Amino acid sequence: SYELTQPPSVSVSPGQTARITCSGDALPKQYAYWYQQKPGQAPVLVIYKDSERPSGIPERFSGSSSGTTVTLTISGVQAEDEADYYCQSADSSGTLWVFGGGTKLTVL
Amino acid sequence: QVTLKESGPVLVKPTETLTLTCTVSGFSLSNARMGVSWIRQPPGKALEWLAHIFSNDEKSYSTSLKSRLTISKDTSKSQVVLTMTNMDPVDTATYYCARILKDGDCCTWFDPWGQGTLVTVSS
Repeated sequence: SYELTQPPSVSVSPGQTARITCSGDALPKQYAYWYQQKPGQAPVLVIYKDSERPSGIPERFSGSSSGTTVTLTISGVQAEDEADYYCQSADSSGTLWVFGGGTKLTVL
Repeated sequence: QVTLKESGPVLVKPTETLTLTCTVSGFSLSNARMGVSWIRQPPGKALEWLAHIFSNDEKSYSTSLKSRLTISKDTSKSQVVLTMTNMDPVDTATYYCARILKDGDCCTWFDPWGQGTLVTVSS
């Protein structure tokens, strides 16, 4: 089965830049999407199609792609950004969808 | 405003069948650019995609759970139903439904999500 790999945790101080990676063999072929989930809440889309930002999402959230790795970057991290972040994509056929294991972002 | 709301039992017994309903508003299940997916999250664990359905009745299921899942829709009622057979305590999770947005053949994503419903499997 297809898997996306994320680091379990990332820690940054307020105002610094956080980078969360997601690796998968099909990522050169399939777009990736990122979701933010705060405790007790449903996930919220923060990046789609690798690097597009939905309306209402702060500009400090950005995404990029290089080969088999996609990266979510949060510039000027704020305390409110502390959350779990999940990448999501599809296998090479595009029919089976998968989430990464999630990364807990801690703002020190 | 687009909203999705999950409903169903909060407690099921092992071996029973779970039936969950997702009631949507603010968009139509007949919209060719949209669909609905079910995703679950065991307590303290990661998200797991389960199944999806589109307006043309195209369906897809998680490989590992395919034999236990059935997804269907009632467009007139704006509802999508997921059934999962032979429930086990490991299936204890918050079950979410989410709208799928489709951009051509390449791109689909989940936005927004319902609030989720916690289902506990226990005798």
